[in-house]
Amino acid sequence: GQQVMQIPQYQHVQEGEDFTTYCNSSTTLSNIQWYKQRPGGHPVFLIQLVKSGEVKKQKRLTFQFGEAKKNSSLHITATQTTDVGTYFCAGDFGNEKLTFGTGTRLTIIP
Amino acid sequence: DVKVTQSSRYLVKRTGEKVFLECVQDMDHENMFWYRQDPGLGLRLIYFSYDVKMKEKGDIPEGYSVSREKKERFSLILESASTNQTSMYLCASRGTRDSPLHFGNGTRLTVT
Repeated sequence: GQQVMQIPQYQHVQEGEDFTTYCNSSTTLSNIQWYKQRPGGHPVFLIQLVKSGEVKKQKRLTFQFGEAKKNSSLHITATQTTDVGTYFCAGDFGNEKLTFGTGTRLTIIP
Repeated sequence: DVKVTQSSRYLVKRTGEKVFLECVQDMDHENMFWYRQDPGLGLRLIYFSYDVKMKEKGDIPEGYSVSREKKERFSLILESASTNQTSMYLCASRGTRDSPLHFGNGTRLTVT
C-alpha cells in the first residue's frame, strides 16, 4: 500500500542543538506537506514541497524534497523551547488523500 | 481565518452505542477528512469527502461511516462503538486539492 515512513519516532535534544526528521515513501509523491502539532493541540500546516530537489526555508527550519520525490526532511537549526511538539510529514500520492507519517516527537532539554 | 469546529472535545460512550462526531467548517471548502490519531501510529485516514453527498474510504474505514448532506458539515458515525475505537478523532478541511489541511481541535473519544 501507499505508506509514508517517518523517523525517528522520538528525539530529545539540548536547547541550541539541531534536529532533523526524515520521511520516506516507496513510491513517487506528487507533493509533500509538513505539519507541527504542539502538545495538546492539533496539527498546523508548515509548508508544502512540490518540485523535485526543492529546498525551502522558514527562519531556522529547512525543508527538502528529494530528487526522486520519494523522501523529504525537516531540519531545525539551534532548537528553542518553542520548537517542542510533534512534526508530521504528509504525502500526496495523487489520489486526493494525504497519507501522514507516524510523526517525530521533539522534546527540548533546557 | 479558517475555522473547523468539532462538536465535542471529550466524549465517553459505552460499547455498542451509536456515536456521532460532528464537524463544521466555515470556509466553503470542498474537501473534508476524518482522521484518528493514536500514539505511535500517527494520523490515519478514516474517510474523506470531496463534495456534498460524495465520500471515499480512507485507510481504516471499518466500523465507521460518514455523512455529508451539506457542504459545511461532515459527520463521522460509529455504528456500534467498540473499545478499540477509543482514540483522538481529528476533522480537517481544505479548499482545493493542493492546499493545506485545516484541522479542528479534535474529539477524544473513550469507549468503555
